[in-house]
Amino acid sequence: DTAVSQTPKYLVTQMGNDKSIKCEQNLGHDTMYWYKQDSKKFLKIMFSYNNKELIINETVPNRFSPKSPDKAHLNLHINSLELGDSAVYFCASSQEDRGREKLFFGSGTQLSVL
Amino acid sequence: GENVEQHPSTLSVQEGDSAVIKCTYSDSASNYFPWYKQELGKRPQLIIDIRSNVGEKKDQRIAVTLNKTAKHFSLHITETQPEDSAVYFCAAKGSGGSNYKLTFGKGTLLTVNP
Repeated sequence: DTAVSQTPKYLVTQMGNDKSIKCEQNLGHDTMYWYKQDSKKFLKIMFSYNNKELIINETVPNRFSPKSPDKAHLNLHINSLELGDSAVYFCASSQEDRGREKLFFGSGTQLSVL
Repeated sequence: GENVEQHPSTLSVQEGDSAVIKCTYSDSASNYFPWYKQELGKRPQLIIDIRSNVGEKKDQRIAVTLNKTAKHFSLHITETQPEDSAVYFCAAKGSGGSNYKLTFGKGTLLTVNP
């Protein structure tokens, strides 16, 4: 009954490979996100989808491609992985309610590029 | 876009003391200010939030104050306990629904020494 679940939890791969991270939320929220947290713990938004539509696309390399097949799922595909992609990637969902917007985060995917 | 500055980056206190974390924001249109707590190896979780029509909000040992004129807001934790040790993130968000993203500060690592 996890609210926001993402897989895998750990991902170790070689430079140049392509990998995907999956995310699902069962909260009925309209909005989903991908955040990147680097080694200094800085949380940086990458993408945001609202009802399957891309609404926020920060300055992220084209190697990163999100896909939202429905509003409960937001997957992240990364091509040609680089050393600098090593980080923890968090999926999140939210629903705005009278000016408040609580983010529910997944447990994170620790990506290590060797 | 919005810019959120957070200070200090690290804070060490003795158990029972108070801890204060301060944030400033740049966009005067921002009207929602949440605080997230991230324990080591865990996901960020919302601990308290405040909207711009309120100057202060309290929840047990945690309080947040907002000064809209000066564009700064603070988190106050009283009677700190070792389990308060974590990274704390402030954030700011403008009005206008999902098209306005939540911008996070860079985080404060709080250590409560027993």
